[in-house]
Amino acid sequence: GAVVSQHPSWVICKSGTSVKIECRSLDFQATTMFWYRQFPKQSLMLMATSNEGSKATYEQGVEKDKFLINHASLTLSTLTVTSAHPEDSSFYICSARWTGSDKLYEQYFGPGTRLTVT
Amino acid sequence: SQQGEEDPQALSIQEGENATMNCSYKTSINNLQWYRQNSGRGLVHLILIRSNEREKHSGRLRVTLDTSKKSSSLLITASRAADTASYFCAPGGYNNNDMRFGAGTRLTVKP
Repeated sequence: GAVVSQHPSWVICKSGTSVKIECRSLDFQATTMFWYRQFPKQSLMLMATSNEGSKATYEQGVEKDKFLINHASLTLSTLTVTSAHPEDSSFYICSARWTGSDKLYEQYFGPGTRLTVT
Repeated sequence: SQQGEEDPQALSIQEGENATMNCSYKTSINNLQWYRQNSGRGLVHLILIRSNEREKHSGRLRVTLDTSKKSSSLLITASRAADTASYFCAPGGYNNNDMRFGAGTRLTVKP
């Protein structure tokens, strides 16, 4: 159990276009989902926290108009990178927090999406 | 929330040996989680230890927590080449609003 999927697993897009990444919790409901970005040989950096039905909370330095997050249901959150540029090329990882009573604080991660902007 | 700091940054051992990595944090926690990340992949949840627990086992993994020292350790016994990965700890506060990560420990297990 506790599986989180991401789609697509990798994407190549041209500079100036927008890319949408989906994050789904497959077998549990997640009121809270998180988006991270990871550059090569670096740790994960939290970009934003999203709660179902409300606006995402962005970390300092993350442009909310560039990285649009929608958490429309308890099993789906999307990250849209708008007007992508080469410097947005990175590994994007989502995670979902289990809201079950005994596993309130366990957080599960998706497999990541490799974005390359040319 | 806070992030954990893993130590050492890199660890290289032979297959069959034990690997120990440590995590330190700054403020009181409700729980602490350990994750593994293989190169180019997402994070795999390994184990969660609550603040009122001192030790927890899962297969070849043993996690300890010392809240007085604000530290945790992850021991992997009888390591295998497949254990080669980066390992991260994530201290969780009482609100547990988000999860942040340090640089991790990069473990290399040589066959």
